[in-house]
This record gives sequence, structure tokens and C-alpha cells, in this order.
Amino acid sequence: SQQGEEDPQALSIQEGENATMNCSYKTSINNLQWYRQNSGRGLVHLILIRSNEREKHSGRLRVTLDTSKKSSSLLITASRAADTASYFCAMITDNFNKFYFGSGTKLNVKP
Amino acid sequence: DAGVIQSPRHEVTEMGQEVTLRCKPISGHDYLFWYRQTMMRGLELLIYFNNNVPIDDSGMPEDRFSAKMPNASFSTLKIQPSEPRDSAVYFCASSLPPNPDTEAFFGQGTRLTVV
Repeated sequence: SQQGEEDPQALSIQEGENATMNCSYKTSINNLQWYRQNSGRGLVHLILIRSNEREKHSGRLRVTLDTSKKSSSLLITASRAADTASYFCAMITDNFNKFYFGSGTKLNVKP
Repeated sequence: DAGVIQSPRHEVTEMGQEVTLRCKPISGHDYLFWYRQTMMRGLELLIYFNNNVPIDDSGMPEDRFSAKMPNASFSTLKIQPSEPRDSAVYFCASSLPPNPDTEAFFGQGTRLTVV
């Protein structure tokens, strides 16, 4: 991708398990965001973490950010079949005017 | 607001034909982005506008691609002539003016197939 990579590329887990996705990026950022894409749909914003934050929670989502390593992780706890989707990290550049996306992790949660 | 609206949702065209994709951003959003999504290359930023003015088109792959934003509520992405390798899903997104909490709002995408 243009600015970031995610791993794993694909993840398959059982319902109730936790899912962790990682994102590494190249550029300097002001914030990092995670988006979700259901099959055949557009991307939907999930959570945002600013560059001066290290961890953030929203419901079953937990995001961490390590700017020294240029990496972030998204944890989904107690996964559900409805969480099945692709998840993308987005890097917001210094002027807040460009959104660059990672390569995405395809999550499959088996009921 | 109905969100970002793209049309058509699906487009099938023959190689060499002109293709025009349309986007209506969310009212009040000053920024509009065009992305292309493929399995091989993921989500690529093609071009973005601020207040109807193209700011960065460095992601536009070739001169066959052009984008316009004649007013705050409408943008087009045109491919002329189209080629099979242009087959992809094209997304339009819009956002408010930049601030530390700016997020992008995406349309449903246009799935383009060039045969």
C-alpha cells in the first residue's frame, strides 16, 4: 500500500475469542484511525487515536499506538460473527489532509 | 444527511469507452477524496480536493484519468479511454476541515468492470 502495512493479512477465529490486528506505517502522522469494511460496502470509521496518545478504548475495541516504532494495533475482544469484515488502519498526515490506508486484515469470526 | 452518495454502484463497459463516476459529498465537508481499491494494490488515494480545488493528484495513475469538482456538492472521476486493468472499486470520501479528530466518510463505492 502507499503508506502502511497490516498483519496478518487474514485472521480466522472462533466467536468469543479476541482478535488482534497490527499496522505499521512509514510517514509521520498526526493521528491514526481504524476503519471497517464489510464485503461490498464502503469503509466505516471505528476509532481514532492521536499521536500523543498510547492507548484508547471504545466498547470492545482497544487501540494502541507506538510512534517510536511507527506501529499500532487493534484488539477486538469477545468477537462475534458480525465482526467478520476487513479492517484497515489509516494514517493521517501532518497537515491532516490526507488519509493513507494500510493493506487491511480480513477477519473471519466463525460462529 | 444521507452520507456520501456515489453513482452508479456498478458499471460494466467495454475497453476504449469513456467511464464517468459520480460523487456527492456530505454537505459542509470541504475535503473530497477519490480512492481505488484492488486486491493487488489495496486502497490507493488517487486525488483529493479542498473547497472544490484539486490539491494533490499525484495518485492518478495516468492521463486517461481526470477528476473535477465543479461545485461543493458534486465531483466526477472520468476514465477515457478505459482499459481492463482499470477494473476496480472506486470510492469517494469526504471530510470536514482538518483537525486532530477528522475522520473520513466513505460512499458505497462504484464497482467498475472493463471488458
